[in-house]
Amino acid sequence: QVTLKESGPALVKPTQTLTLTCTFSGFSLSTSGMRVTWIRQPPGKALEWLARIDWDDDKFYSTSLKTRLTISKDTSKNQVVLTMTNMDPVDTATYYCARGSYGDYMDYWGQGTLVTVSS
Amino acid sequence: SYVLTQPPSVSVAPGQTARITCGGNNIGTKSVHWYQQKPGQAPVLVVYDDSDRPSGIPERFSGSNSGNTATLTISWVEAGDEADYYCQVWDSSRYLFGGGTKLTVL
Repeated sequence: QVTLKESGPALVKPTQTLTLTCTFSGFSLSTSGMRVTWIRQPPGKALEWLARIDWDDDKFYSTSLKTRLTISKDTSKNQVVLTMTNMDPVDTATYYCARGSYGDYMDYWGQGTLVTVSS
Repeated sequence: SYVLTQPPSVSVAPGQTARITCGGNNIGTKSVHWYQQKPGQAPVLVVYDDSDRPSGIPERFSGSNSGNTATLTISWVEAGDEADYYCQVWDSSRYLFGGGTKLTVL
């Protein structure tokens, strides 16, 4: 059974760095073809892809946010960490992590975690 | 940059067929995936690779993709199908989502 769960602060101040952790089970990120992706969704708005990390440590970032994002994995802990620097109120959103495999789609999603950026 | 265009809303009566489109330049050359998102819940994959269904997704959900338009078709629409639907592709080493379509069941 594949599960993913996001964790991190619910509230961050403007200019701070956000660190989110995705803890998963039911698969290994050392298995060929496995990927973990971060997506966010501002309240009432559409999904926005942020970053992806693959089993072979390939990393991909949103063009518009890549200067602020870093994605990494700890295979032994079954965790993927996303950091986003210089947070702004417009970054207020629900942040999801999701699993992908060989296909370019996300087949399992976490429940999401709401992050509010406010002073 | 590549853009996916969805209608903001689609309305359909129960038992009828809903068609939700996703437009993009030569989208027929890409693999299109569809997600259903109900209020307060995470998205759920309902169609992948244009027309395949994950296990557990009813046969009422189907997809097609040709030319400049991909389509998610929901047959025999039920009240429980009311949700936001998003199309998604992988293009130039990035994921792209459409703006989403709110399906209202009348």
